[in-house]
Amino acid sequence: GESVGLHLPTLSVQEGDNSIINCAYSNSASDYFIWYKQESGKGPQFIIDIRSNMDKRQGQRVTVLLNKTVKHLSLQIAATQPGDSAVYFCAENIGGSARQLTFGSGTQLTVLP
Amino acid sequence: DAGVTQSPTHLIKTRGQQVTLRCSPKSGHDTVSWYQQALGQGPQFIFQYYEEEERQRGNFPDRFSGHQFPNYSSELNVNALLLGDSALYLCASSFPGQVDYGYTFGSGTRLTVV
Repeated sequence: GESVGLHLPTLSVQEGDNSIINCAYSNSASDYFIWYKQESGKGPQFIIDIRSNMDKRQGQRVTVLLNKTVKHLSLQIAATQPGDSAVYFCAENIGGSARQLTFGSGTQLTVLP
Repeated sequence: DAGVTQSPTHLIKTRGQQVTLRCSPKSGHDTVSWYQQALGQGPQFIFQYYEEEERQRGNFPDRFSGHQFPNYSSELNVNALLLGDSALYLCASSFPGQVDYGYTFGSGTRLTVV
């Protein structure tokens, strides 16, 4: 039969507040992680990345934290803005030259006025 | 500088038919990867092309095939379409020499199988 799409986890935050989006990754051998933002009707857009030899990396208004012990990633967005409303995916890569990314299921972030 | 261009943007096909989707990579990129994104899910890796050869393949049946041309553009072909093939098909390009795995995704082709 026809497959049914999964219901995405959702996060609603007030404009100006900080957002934290979590992701559990699957493979302990993964050595590179990326957060992507996907707006409706568009492809994923790179936000920030982190390698497995780091536990924190900061960008403009965004911070990624990596906890390899529990295979957990988080994306923190400071001073969330309406333009941040989108689906956020984490992706992992096991290394090598082929760059086959494994994506998580995504989180729908809604910024409330 | 044009990003990744995909065509068509939307497509409706009947079960059993065949479809070809097209992708032009970002200028300077020579590696093209294809992903399938079902509604409400994350993208799933189909395969990657480099130097006109399939370099790596995800867990997709042989009905899914591809090609890369000398100008680095690529096609994704799907034969004997099933209802479950309905999805957003994303093309991503990259350059092997980049340190930061800088994939650039296109906006995708929305395929509906009826």
